[in-house]
Amino acid sequence: GAGVSQSPSNKVTEKGKDVELRCDPISGHTALYWYRQSLGQGLEFLIYFQGNSAPDKSGLPSDRFSAERTGGSVSTLTIQRTQQEDSAVYLCASTQAETQYFGPGTRLLVL
Amino acid sequence: GENVEQHPSTLSVQEGDSAVIKCTYSDSASNYFPWYKQELGKRPQLIIDIRSNVGEKKDQRIAVTLNKTAKHFSLHITETQPEDSAVYFCAAALGGGADGLTFGKGTHLIIQP
Repeated sequence: GAGVSQSPSNKVTEKGKDVELRCDPISGHTALYWYRQSLGQGLEFLIYFQGNSAPDKSGLPSDRFSAERTGGSVSTLTIQRTQQEDSAVYLCASTQAETQYFGPGTRLLVL
Repeated sequence: GENVEQHPSTLSVQEGDSAVIKCTYSDSASNYFPWYKQELGKRPQLIIDIRSNVGEKKDQRIAVTLNKTAKHFSLHITETQPEDSAVYFCAAALGGGADGLTFGKGTHLIIQP
């Protein structure tokens, strides 16, 4: 079946602009995670959604970052007033039990 | 919270030799330990995982061992091939889908021809 999809695959924006990144998880997966991966670095946890529970936002680096998940399915990660240090690959993953299946990521470049 | 340490950060081995990557974790309640392989420019892919009720699991050239007493687990790749070159991430979780994964910082494995 279809895996996790993300859009756009690449995004170039100017400093100060807002961006929205989208994640379509695998159908039926109740948990969804957002990670950030800077060039050559590991996976930095951002936010976690589990069913209808309040999301775990403990990894969000600043209040410029927010995410929502509508109808328990699609999720959007919004970065307001982007900064150059926000440039990274943003990965989402959906989960069946413990196993996480990653999307292809959105490569964000802030000029 | 959980803390996962991964070593080495870079590992270079001759093609055909074995490679071992080691991770330690801090939370003794963790009971699920997956390994992900990430090729350049691609998404992380699960290659093998182990749960705390077993000490070792093998899948062809890949094996993972777990020592719960010492809180460490390792990835072993035998007869390495050029396509094994990638970044490998270990992770730990409480399991049961109740919590997220805590990842190690990754190991860049380079297979020398």
